Amino acid sequence: EAGVAQSPRYKIIEKRQSVAFWCNPISGHATLYWYQQILGQGPKLLIQFQNNGVVDDSQLPKDRFSAERLKGVDSTLKIQPAKLEDSAVYLCASSLDPGRLFYGYTFGSGTRLTVV
Amino acid sequence: DQQVKQNSPSLSVQEGRISILNCDYTNSMFDYFLWYKKYPAEGPTFLISISSIKDKNEDGRFTVFLNKSAKHLSLHIVPSQPGDSAVYFCAALRGGGSEKLVFGKGTKLTVNP
Repeated sequence: EAGVAQSPRYKIIEKRQSVAFWCNPISGHATLYWYQQILGQGPKLLIQFQNNGVVDDSQLPKDRFSAERLKGVDSTLKIQPAKLEDSAVYLCASSLDPGRLFYGYTFGSGTRLTVV
Repeated sequence: DQQVKQNSPSLSVQEGRISILNCDYTNSMFDYFLWYKKYPAEGPTFLISISSIKDKNEDGRFTVFLNKSAKHLSLHIVPSQPGDSAVYFCAALRGGGSEKLVFGKGTKLTVNP
């Protein structure tokens, strides 16, 4: 099966600019996650979707970050305006349903964002 | 508040020997523990997991041990191969709703030929 697709792979922007990331999960996977991985740290959940509804966005900085999952398939994550501390790898992941978490999520390759 | 801790940033072993990666956690409510492997410029890939009601799970060269009383788990790789060189993340989750994975900071394993 095709994996989780993310684009772009790399992005460099100036602070206060806006940026958007795109994710296409594995076909049929109802649950989609966005994680932020800052250099030297483990990934941290930003938002979890179940189909097109938000399950958990408690760690999403809502003053500058937004995410949507239209039609329960693709998802976009936006940052506006970006800050220097947003420099990180943004990982998208998907899973068939929460009950299969023993088998883990499938992650995409990520988008590396550098804010200068 | 770091709920999952990997206190060794790096580990170096010889090919053919055992690699032991350690992980500690603080939240006794976690239901599952997972190990992910990450190569540079790639996303993490699922390696092996263990339920909180088990104390051991084995898959080929990889074995995960869970000591609930000590809130400690470890990943054993036997025998280690150069292709195992990667960053290994320990992760934990609670079921029942927001099944988010909580990750440690990772341990970089280097297997020398």
